[in-house]
Amino acid sequence: AQSVTQLDSHVSVSEGTPVLLRCNYSSSYSPSLFWYVQHPNKGLQLLLKYTSAATLVKGINGFEAEFKKSETSFHLTKPSAHMSDAAEYFCVVIRTDTGRRALTFGSGTRLQVQP
Amino acid sequence: GAVVSQHPSRVICKSGTSVKIECRSLDFQATTMFWYRQFPKQSLMLMATSNEGSKATYEQGVEKDKFLINHASLTLSTLTVTSAHPEDSSFYICSARYGGLNTEAFFGQGTRLTVV
Repeated sequence: AQSVTQLDSHVSVSEGTPVLLRCNYSSSYSPSLFWYVQHPNKGLQLLLKYTSAATLVKGINGFEAEFKKSETSFHLTKPSAHMSDAAEYFCVVIRTDTGRRALTFGSGTRLQVQP
Repeated sequence: GAVVSQHPSRVICKSGTSVKIECRSLDFQATTMFWYRQFPKQSLMLMATSNEGSKATYEQGVEKDKFLINHASLTLSTLTVTSAHPEDSSFYICSARYGGLNTEAFFGQGTRLTVV
């Protein structure tokens, strides 16, 4: 079954410094992967998605992620953090074992941005 | 485009009563809708998947008689929490998908349910 592991529950960076949120996936074949962001008590917003096209995926708000099959990773990066980036980030894979194609969420990474 | 509206955003109810949460796709027809539950500072856990006009498929451990899901049309799904208890208090989020099976899902704003 497809699954994702977010390696860090909390990440803290200073404003203006790079952001790295790590995600590893488990899948028997090429997965569909996503990063979503959730601000407090809000729904989820799609940041970017990988669906077997280009391995470097650019998303909204300056975020990007690189799909690395050899490392089974899909880490999320941003060159320069902004205060408004503080939120919970979820790495997500489409679950295909049941045929329902539901999204399976990682445990989440809380990003703190210090002034 | 691809907006999902969830209502209400917050609800407080008494133990033993039932609460209905609506999820609407505003500008597309959703082939599939999903209901998730999120406990504080935790990830989203899939509760059930529903397709228009058919019975919902529940995840293991989710009581189908307690969490009634109706997907009456391609733009509306409802989740009814029956005979609510304080342990049902949680953040419930719906999502909807259109198009291919490997496309992203769009999420509602979530509903904060508090059972007192």
